[in-house]
Amino acid sequence: AQTVTQSQPEMSVQEAETVTLSCTYDTSESDYYLFWYKQPPSRQMILVIRQEAYKQQNATENRFSVNFQKAAKSFSLKISDSQLGDAAMYFCAYRSPYGGSQGNLIFGKGTKLSVKP
Amino acid sequence: SAVISQKPSRDICQRGTSLTIQCQVDSQVTMMFWYRQQPGQSLTLIATANQGSEATYESGFVIDKFPISRPNLTFSTLTVSNMSPEDSSIYLCSVEGQRTEQYFGPGTRLTVT
Repeated sequence: AQTVTQSQPEMSVQEAETVTLSCTYDTSESDYYLFWYKQPPSRQMILVIRQEAYKQQNATENRFSVNFQKAAKSFSLKISDSQLGDAAMYFCAYRSPYGGSQGNLIFGKGTKLSVKP
Repeated sequence: SAVISQKPSRDICQRGTSLTIQCQVDSQVTMMFWYRQQPGQSLTLIATANQGSEATYESGFVIDKFPISRPNLTFSTLTVSNMSPEDSSIYLCSVEGQRTEQYFGPGTRLTVT
């Protein structure tokens, strides 16, 4: 079974600085999808970034970028120029290549990010 | 992207009672997913709901406790039956977008006393 591990329960960053959140996963599949979601105190899950395993190029969305290391099964999220609004729980998630009832996400335990002014 | 609404947004219920949570999507979707997020925890899949067929439940979740309906392509309900304090959680529904990403509803915060 696939698993997702986030080893940092909490992280802190100074406003305008850069922070990296770690995520590792375990799968026997060669093709899959990885995501980072943000959950602020409002509890709304917000998609931050998406990565397709067959693409070697790291995904980027504005201040958010990933370092995808397929061989190491590592998928870290880098937040540049951190803003107060970035403070939230961040969840790393895995999706198998199969759709339908197997299209669900498997989540890590999350990392709580605090941003200091 | 999809816009998803859930009702109620929160509720406080007595143990032994049942609560039905509604999930409405602004577009037709094949699969809908129901997750549970216990306090301070991550999201765990309860079941997958496909229109016109029985929901598929994950290990540890049973239909008698969490019956799901999926009457059409834009709507689903999850019932939490015979509630106990251990059922206090956030319940979220989600749908899959065109690029395998999932969009989530705002969640229903349930407290069982």
